[in-house]
Amino acid sequence: DSGVTQTPKHLITATGQRVTLRCSPRSGDLSVYWYQQSLDQGLQFLIHYYNGEERAKGNILERFSAQQFPDLHSELNLSSLELGDSALYFCASSVEQGRTGELFFGEGSRLTVL
Amino acid sequence: ELKVEQNPLFLSMQEGKNYTIYCNYSTTSDRLYWYRQDPGKSLESLFVLLSNGAVKQEGRLMASLDTKARLSTLHITAAVHDLSATYFCAVVNQGGKLIFGQGTELSVKP
Repeated sequence: DSGVTQTPKHLITATGQRVTLRCSPRSGDLSVYWYQQSLDQGLQFLIHYYNGEERAKGNILERFSAQQFPDLHSELNLSSLELGDSALYFCASSVEQGRTGELFFGEGSRLTVL
Repeated sequence: ELKVEQNPLFLSMQEGKNYTIYCNYSTTSDRLYWYRQDPGKSLESLFVLLSNGAVKQEGRLMASLDTKARLSTLHITAAVHDLSATYFCAVVNQGGKLIFGQGTELSVKP
């Protein structure tokens, strides 16, 4: 158990819908990262937050947004869902700011868009 | 833009044999990670390599880093079935993002 908690574990929804994925980092970790894993794209970095502020953006679509709250949990919002958004979404946390230290991954949220 | 490439992408091994997975990356970095992922599961951190020449070993796995060659290797000694999984290397880019390789799917057969 990495100490990173993600909910929900599984989610099935329809195209055009909106979902929210939630992540609680390990106790004491200020950084939260979101990754998308799909068969064709592999593990893609989406976004990084540190202590409530956005630090880096990767290949995140405009339909997706994220935030990190004062209690350090984070949410990834996916809207106008398409079939291609079906993937495993991982949250990871670490202690270090800036230069990335070791990341600890949650169990992931498996999103299926029908 | 940092690119991380692993090879092979698929590896079928017999138990008891040795093999090496290679991880090449395209731009300078002094921090490299190896992760293991079982099907449908999370990523488990295996090794953190922080300097040129770093070598770390855990059980039948040994990882090394050559920053000058921009190459890391993950060596498997006397493979056992429990090692069957997908192995990822990941490198930190200039912007602090952790960029993953494609993964190497390892299957160890009796």
